Amino acid sequence: GAGVSQSPSNKVTEKGKDVELRCDPISGHTALYWYRQSLGQGLEFLIYFQGNSAPDKSGLPSDRFSAERTGGSVSTLTIQRTQQEDSAVYLCASRTSGGSGTGELFFGEGSRLTVL
Amino acid sequence: AQTVTQSQPEMSVQEAETVTLSCTYDTSESDYYLFWYKQPPSRQMILVIRQEAYKQQNATENRFSVNFQKAAKSFSLKISDSQLGDAAMYFCAYRSPSGAGSYQLTFGKGTKLSVIP
Repeated sequence: GAGVSQSPSNKVTEKGKDVELRCDPISGHTALYWYRQSLGQGLEFLIYFQGNSAPDKSGLPSDRFSAERTGGSVSTLTIQRTQQEDSAVYLCASRTSGGSGTGELFFGEGSRLTVL
Repeated sequence: AQTVTQSQPEMSVQEAETVTLSCTYDTSESDYYLFWYKQPPSRQMILVIRQEAYKQQNATENRFSVNFQKAAKSFSLKISDSQLGDAAMYFCAYRSPSGAGSYQLTFGKGTKLSVIP
């Protein structure tokens, strides 16, 4: 696609339920990131995928959070047993791989998660 | 670990005037990249301008320019001839040098810019 696509745009769920957020990166971009943006905060790194390499999961806040990337393209972020503190906007970004340059990230419009 | 600090949670500017947003960072690296991103209500982060630390010349992009002070670890954004469409959250971000890991960006907490007609 022309840009990074995320779905759903908004999600309201009840505490304790599981949610899945989807990211479809720009075609040809091998690197994919998930960030979390809580109210009044900057962006917090969650996880990074690069090609077939093992993902960098160093930013995941707890074992309730997981992510996968199938076929090197679409990624799904899963939050199990959601808590109210999980309420945030979840942003996905992608970029081309390796090479020189600044490695500019291209962001989607995010998924706003509200946990009641 | 690198940190990025934006000390102005909110700023306002009159249309057509100039405004400067502040950003400081902390790092022990000598080479790195700095960015300003804009986030309008649509939530999509849009790259405004970037600066390579090894370049002494300040980056400019049309009405946007930076004042990069490497020794002071300061990276401010100047918006000239402000327009209503400039109203947004602005985030300063830091990235380690090319080839250093995941190209992960470290963000400040943002500055909300309002433009007054």
